[in-house]
Amino acid sequence: DQQVKQNSPSLSVQEGRISILNCDYTNSMFDYFLWYKKYPAEGPTFLISISSIKDKNEDGRFTVFLNKSAKHLSLHIVPSQPGDSAVYFCAARPTSGTYKYIFGTGTRLKVLA
Amino acid sequence: EPEVTQTPSHQVTQMGQEVILRCVPISNHLYFYWYRQILGQKVEFLVSFYNNEISEKSEIFDDQFSVERPDGSNFTLKIRSTKLEDSAMYFCASGSRTGSTGELFFGEGSRLTVL
Repeated sequence: DQQVKQNSPSLSVQEGRISILNCDYTNSMFDYFLWYKKYPAEGPTFLISISSIKDKNEDGRFTVFLNKSAKHLSLHIVPSQPGDSAVYFCAARPTSGTYKYIFGTGTRLKVLA
Repeated sequence: EPEVTQTPSHQVTQMGQEVILRCVPISNHLYFYWYRQILGQKVEFLVSFYNNEISEKSEIFDDQFSVERPDGSNFTLKIRSTKLEDSAMYFCASGSRTGSTGELFFGEGSRLTVL
């Protein structure tokens, strides 16, 4: 019953290039999608979110794209920096009926200097 | 900047012992959560708390687990009789459902090691 999926467990990217992290969801009853970044032994840190009524949100080097017809969202980081190396989780907030934010399994990004 | 704080950062306990993990959520938030992450695995939802009661809980959150907001600021997770498989990082989070960006704010986590 996993409703949020990140199919790539890891990704390596050269410094300065674009990192693209992907996430798929199986349920349309979400009003927000979020990306979190997590370093080892630390709590997840909020990066960027997108409302389900939008298809793009940009914040500095981070852009999130939402394709509702494909039930797919992606996080673009450009240019990638070595400090971006972390595990990235996508999450979805249900519209109603439940307070549970659902997390994907995470993608470990490694930015190579 | 407001933040969620958790104590202790690391606790080691013997199997069968009771453990209480403490959290101070962001003061104007209304929704509180506990998540956990077993080493190398995904972040798993345990329980959500709103209006002084549990609003939702997962299958993991069995009778050995309880949550409380005893004084209007702290939010605690109690494990009555710990098992080896309870060893994990436990994250507290808080949020405001009416927040414009929808995010939950997480604490730094409490690492629980059950021997």
